[in-house]
Amino acid sequence: AQKITQTQPGMFVQEKEAVTLDCTYDTSDQSYGLFWYKQPSSGEMIFLIYQGSYDEQNATEGRYSLNFQKARKSANLVISASQLGDSAMYFCAMREGLPSNTGKLIFGQGTTLQVKP
Amino acid sequence: EAGVAQSPRYKIIEKRQSVAFWCNPISGHATLYWYQQILGQGPKLLIQFQNNGVVDDSQLPKDRFSAERLKGVDSTLKIQPAKLEDSAVYLCASRSRGRDGHEQYFGPGTRLTVT
Repeated sequence: AQKITQTQPGMFVQEKEAVTLDCTYDTSDQSYGLFWYKQPSSGEMIFLIYQGSYDEQNATEGRYSLNFQKARKSANLVISASQLGDSAMYFCAMREGLPSNTGKLIFGQGTTLQVKP
Repeated sequence: EAGVAQSPRYKIIEKRQSVAFWCNPISGHATLYWYQQILGQGPKLLIQFQNNGVVDDSQLPKDRFSAERLKGVDSTLKIQPAKLEDSAVYLCASRSRGRDGHEQYFGPGTRLTVT
């Protein structure tokens, strides 16, 4: 069965420093997609970055990058140059199947990130 | 483009009462999802619609929860009767079918408190 594990309940980072949020996944499918979402205290889920299982290069979106290690089944989120506005809950999620698959996302438990000034 | 709209944003009810939530997805998005997010946990899918047909409702407690998506646009999720354990945030999301972007777009959620 597909599963997402985020082992860090809470993290602190100093403003302007980089931080890595861990995510490991379990699936028997060869085709799958990995997502990171940010959830501020307002509650809305904000899409950050996507990595497909067949993508050879790690995904990057501005200050966000995804460290994809397929053999280890890990998909860690790296936030560079942290800002105070990055303080939020971060969720790793997975969707099995090809990119065109509109199936559900399976979410991890989340990691709370607090950025210190 | 306008995002996913949900209402109400907050709702407090007593146990055994009924409640309904409304979602308007992004225009043109064929796929609509309802997720339940209990405090301290990640969202969990309750039901998925493709146009006005149900694709996945395997985790929907059908003895008390119901959902519909008339005309393949707006959707309502109903709980009747509510239990204390239904206290959660109910998130609606939508996705364009076959779109390259992969991601689901989420609404602001409805925070339900059952007392």
